[in-house]
Amino acid sequence: EVHLLESGGGLVQPGGSLRLSCAASGFTFNKYAMSWVRQAPGKGLEWVSTISDSGGSTYYADSVKGRFTISRDNSKNTVSMQMNSLRAEDTAVYYCAKNDLVIPFDYWGQGTLVTVSS
Amino acid sequence: DIQMTQSPSSLSASVGDRVTITCRASQAISHYLAWFQQKPGKAPKSLIYAASTLLSGVPSKFSGSGFGTDFTLTISSLQSEDFATYYCQQYYSHPRTFGQGTKVEIK
Repeated sequence: EVHLLESGGGLVQPGGSLRLSCAASGFTFNKYAMSWVRQAPGKGLEWVSTISDSGGSTYYADSVKGRFTISRDNSKNTVSMQMNSLRAEDTAVYYCAKNDLVIPFDYWGQGTLVTVSS
Repeated sequence: DIQMTQSPSSLSASVGDRVTITCRASQAISHYLAWFQQKPGKAPKSLIYAASTLLSGVPSKFSGSGFGTDFTLTISSLQSEDFATYYCQQYYSHPRTFGQGTKVEIK
């Protein structure tokens, strides 16, 4: 059974940094791309970033480009996102999602809340 | 960027009703369209990919159709567990974009 468990969320001041992690299990991690998707309170879903199976390719939404960095450790079955220069508008639940070869976001974690506030 | 527009933004329906949600892309995306269901306080759940293919375990009351720019999600007979918010999403190109969501509420 596929399981994705996010961690690392919390309260941070504007301009601060936070690192999210997602521990994956139940599938061959190094064969699939992984993504982060966020949802601001009361709002819709917003794709944030994707990393390829090898980690050699990364993609970012314009809203986070230059501030967020996605990475993965295939030896530990984890994907991470380093978030710098955080803004109030980054406040959201951040979901880790698995990318199947043909199915986008076929499995999701339960999410971790990031609150950017002074 | 490809804009995804869903309609309606919300709808009220009764148990047993047939419900249709539409999703329009700002440019052609072939069949690269997925649908998700999200219940309050829960993570989204993947329902359909490639515009019309149901994921394993998704009930056959859900169906999807469309190609190019216009797509639909249909629930053939609404049940209590189907009251939720539904999102479409294109994966034709980066950045991946979602529709704004359609909230299906009980009448």
